[in-house]
Parts: sequence; C-alpha cells; structure tokens
Amino acid sequence: SQQGEEDPQALSIQEGENATMNCSYKTSINNLQWYRQNSGRGLVHLILIRSNEREKHSGRLRVTLDTSKKSSSLLITASRAADTASYFCATDAVNTGNQFYFGTGTSLTVIP
Amino acid sequence: KAGVTQTPRYLIKTRGQQVTLSCSPISGHRSVSWYQQTPGQGLQFLFEYFSETQRNKGNFPGRFSGRQFSNSRSEMNVSTLELGDSALYLCASRPAPGQGREQYFGPGTRLTVT
Repeated sequence: SQQGEEDPQALSIQEGENATMNCSYKTSINNLQWYRQNSGRGLVHLILIRSNEREKHSGRLRVTLDTSKKSSSLLITASRAADTASYFCATDAVNTGNQFYFGTGTSLTVIP
Repeated sequence: KAGVTQTPRYLIKTRGQQVTLSCSPISGHRSVSWYQQTPGQGLQFLFEYFSETQRNKGNFPGRFSGRQFSNSRSEMNVSTLELGDSALYLCASRPAPGQGREQYFGPGTRLTVT
C-alpha cells in the first residue's frame, strides 16, 4: 500500500501546550498536504508543502518535510480545545495521476 | 461559493440492496474524487472523475462504480451491499487534477448496512 502512516495514533495534551504529529510515506511525492477532520465530518485542508520545500508556516501551524526520510511533521503551537480533531497527511504521489494517498490519522485531544 | 454538498447525509440499507450517493462539487470545480472511510482502514481512495471521465480508480471491487455528469455533479453506486460497506463516504472536489491542488471535502454520507 502507498498509504502513509501517522504517529502517534492518539495524542492528548493540555490547552496551551504544543502538539506534534508525524507522517511517514512510501513513494516519491509532488507535495504533501495536511487535513483536519472533526468527529465524523468532512476534511478541511490545513497546509500544503511541496517536495522542494523543507518547512512551511501558517498561523499556529508549522510543517516540515524530509524527502530523504520520506517523512513530515505537523506542529500545532499553543493548542486550543477547538484543535481537538483527527489530523491526516495526504501525499500527492509521483506518477499516479495526482492521486491522493491518505495516512491513518492522529487523533488529537486538547484538554481545557 | 457554496461548498461541496453530499446527499443523503445518512442512509440505512440492507445487505444485498444497492445504493446511490450524490455529490455536487464547488462551482467551477471539474474534478470529483470519492473516498471510503472506516475505523479499521482509514481513508481509502475509490475513484476520481474529471470532465465526465474516470481518471483513477482505487482497489475496490466492481460493485463500486461511479459517474460524472456534464455539470460536474457525480454519483457513486454500490451494488449488492455487504456489511463491510458500512462507512463514511466522502466526496472531494478540486478545480482540476494537477500538482499543488488541494481538495475540498463534503460532509460525507454515513452508510449503515444491516
């Protein structure tokens, strides 16, 4: 399977702390995207990082990409209760017609 | 712009029946993808349509099929339903396939097969 994997599967932190989740994938990619999903609903796009980029910021989000290790990390700083959700990485793999492969997701709980 | 809409939102069917789910993409988006999400398997890609043509297909049996209309609306059909087909079915649209194109997801259709 070309599906990626997120680590950890579940994460519980206190409000105000930082949350870090990791994504590993198997094939060469054009870009990698992170999505958030609130309980049983649709996914919302958070940030996209291209294969030639190493780090990207968007508000409280910081994403890194290491193509040599085929891994990415998502850092959420100063977490809030509203950040409670599942987070997925999605890879736009090379030579697949821009088909997306989603990881298994990290379930984040932020305790007020 | 209105977001991606999916109908129905909830559906209960019996084994052996068939079901049709509908997705209306964001206005101007011509690519529609379908995903199946289950607790055990995560998000699995079903297929993508662009300009009424299937571009990509995931590893699902032939019971799963789809189509896209000239107005970019898409339907997916599952025939001879099995218990394991119970899942959240998500539809996503984007302007066109291509690098650096984020997908916009609908709220999903929750299918329960009894």
